[in-house]
Amino acid sequence: GAVVSQHPSWVICKSGTSVKIECRSLDFQATTMFWYRQFPKQSLMLMATSNEGSKATYEQGVEKDKFLINHASLTLSTLTVTSAHPEDSSFYICSAREAGLDQPQHFGDGTRLSIL
Amino acid sequence: GENVEQHPSTLSVQEGDSAVIKCTYSDSASNYFPWYKQELGKGPQLIIDIRSNVGEKKDQRIAVTLNKTAKHFSLHITETQPEDSAVYFCAALAYSGAGSYQLTFGKGTKLSVIP
Repeated sequence: GAVVSQHPSWVICKSGTSVKIECRSLDFQATTMFWYRQFPKQSLMLMATSNEGSKATYEQGVEKDKFLINHASLTLSTLTVTSAHPEDSSFYICSAREAGLDQPQHFGDGTRLSIL
Repeated sequence: GENVEQHPSTLSVQEGDSAVIKCTYSDSASNYFPWYKQELGKGPQLIIDIRSNVGEKKDQRIAVTLNKTAKHFSLHITETQPEDSAVYFCAALAYSGAGSYQLTFGKGTKLSVIP
């Protein structure tokens, strides 16, 4: 089955640090990738959608200068949390989908980000 | 935009019993409805999905039913096992503007299977 690999799985860093999270589709070409944020015991909140080679589309309320998304290839997308602060601590999950609306969306195992 | 309601928020069943989780959606144009299972500390895993041209789909102990007229769909798990314990999310795919389609998720159901 389709596999989405996300790294790192857990990051602890000091306030003010920038953190990069990688998301790779291992056995399919991800035309579209999504980044979600999930708070404890809550549902997934879409942050942004990116198509390969294009700028990401951010959801309302998500700061594009804070959360930099790059989708330079059909198998890799990165999310960089710039100058992270404690309020950015959360569980970040990427998702990927092949071209075509009839293709399912697969998720990575998430990255737990803790900012001290 | 699309709105997905999911019930119940928590569900406890005895091992071997069946579990049913129900979702409703608001956008009649939605035509793809996946279900995800999320275990603690992991990402959601797609377990089954259904498209609007069918009313029911089954995969071993898991089945999903769809009623497009009433705009609701349900997940049925039979012969539950302790390893079925997790949080389950329903979702609906809808047009979100600018040529994009995105999933809208329910708030999740925490299923506990008691041995």
